[in-house]
Amino acid sequence: AQTVTQSQPEMSVQEAETVTLSCTYDTSENNYYLFWYKQPPSRQMILVIRQEAYKQQNATENRFSVNFQKAAKSFSLKISDSQLGDTAMYFCAFGVMDTGRRALTFGSGTRLQVQP
Amino acid sequence: DVKVTQSSRYLVKRTGEKVFLECVQDMDHENMFWYRQDPGLGLRLIYFSYDVKMKEKGDIPEGYSVSREKKERFSLILESASTNQTSMYLCANSPGSSYNSPLHFGNGTRLTVT
Repeated sequence: AQTVTQSQPEMSVQEAETVTLSCTYDTSENNYYLFWYKQPPSRQMILVIRQEAYKQQNATENRFSVNFQKAAKSFSLKISDSQLGDTAMYFCAFGVMDTGRRALTFGSGTRLQVQP
Repeated sequence: DVKVTQSSRYLVKRTGEKVFLECVQDMDHENMFWYRQDPGLGLRLIYFSYDVKMKEKGDIPEGYSVSREKKERFSLILESASTNQTSMYLCANSPGSSYNSPLHFGNGTRLTVT
């Protein structure tokens, strides 16, 4: 079974600064993929960024980037130039590349508050 | 854009009632999921379905059942609601063919059982 751990229940950052959210996971699988999802107060869960485990290059989407350390089973999210609209719950998620289980396993979430 | 629609945003039910949470997708995606979201616990998988009439238990299926009679609709059923089922329920879907496809979520149903 896979587990995903987010050790920071809450974080705060000043507008325009950089913040890093941590995520670690435990698995015996070799082929998997990782996601960060954002859930703003409106509740609509949206994908922020994804990373395939076989890719060594860290994924980047505009102001969002990840630091993927496969050996350490770590997958942190860096938000640069934080904006007020980044205020949300952030969930790290893990998925396995097989036909038997297509669901994702989620962490407990980190509530990020961006301060003006 | 893929749309996943949950029929109710807020729901209040009494202990012992049978409760139906409905989820409808507007795309032809094979996989549909029901998650429960609780503070400090994140999202936990209740059930998922990878085809019509097919279902698989997730991590916390006790007290729940599901129905998928048509590809676009996936219903979560609380046979006899209890107060410990007060929670946020999220429906999601994904295409069956691509493993790194993200889940698309509905807006959630906040259920209160009194």
